[in-house]
Amino acid sequence: QKEVEQNSGPLSVPEGAIASLNCTYSDRGSQSFFWYRQYSGKSPELIMSIYSNGDKEDGRFTAQLNKASQYVSLLIRDSQPSDSATYLCAVGSNNNDMRFGAGTRLTVKP
Amino acid sequence: KAGVTQTPRYLIKTRGQQVTLSCSPISGHRSVSWYQQTPGQGLQFLFEYFSETQRNKGNFPGRFSGRQFSNSRSEMNVSTLELGDSALYLCASSLANSQETQYFGPGTRLLVL
Repeated sequence: QKEVEQNSGPLSVPEGAIASLNCTYSDRGSQSFFWYRQYSGKSPELIMSIYSNGDKEDGRFTAQLNKASQYVSLLIRDSQPSDSATYLCAVGSNNNDMRFGAGTRLTVKP
Repeated sequence: KAGVTQTPRYLIKTRGQQVTLSCSPISGHRSVSWYQQTPGQGLQFLFEYFSETQRNKGNFPGRFSGRQFSNSRSEMNVSTLELGDSALYLCASSLANSQETQYFGPGTRLLVL
C-alpha cells in the first residue's frame, strides 16, 4: 500500500462545476496536510495547508480533513480552465519528512 | 522575498558522468529538501538538510549525495550517472522542518544520454 494515495485521473469537469480531489494516507500519526498544484513543466505551488479535522476555505478552494478516516480532500468551486493542472496531496509523516501522492490530473473544459 | 532558486535549469550529461545541482532557499529558511520527479514515479524524496546536517534520507542509492552550507544553500551530487537518473530535480525550502509548508524552486531538468 502506498503511503499517500490519489486517484491519478484524469478528472474532467466542465467550466463552472465543482472539482473534487481525494487523497488517503497510511500514517495515522500524520499531523500536516497540503495540496499543491503543478502545471505541466512547472514546479509544485502550494494551494492550501490543513492541520485540524474539518473544512478550511480559501477563495474557491476548500480542503477537508478527516484524521479518523485518514482522508483529505480538495474541492474547487466554479472551476476554470486555468485550474487544469496536476494536484498533489502531501502529508507530513512521522518520519519527519513529507510524502507526496502521485497526483491527480484535472482538466476543466470550457 | 525572493523565492527558491535552482541552478542550472537544464543539464545534459552522458552515462558515467557526475553532476552537481545547486539550490538557494528562501531567506530565513533553514530546511532544504530535495526530490526527484519522473512521470512514472512521481515526486520521490531524496534527502533533507538542516543546519548543515542531513536530517533525513529517502530510498536512493549512495550515488546520490548532498550537502548544506552555513548560509543554508544546498547542493546535491549524482555520481556515475545512469539513464534512469533523467528527471526533474526539485529543491524545496521550509523554515525549520520538512513537515511544514515547503516552497519549491523551479527545478533542474537533467537528461542523461
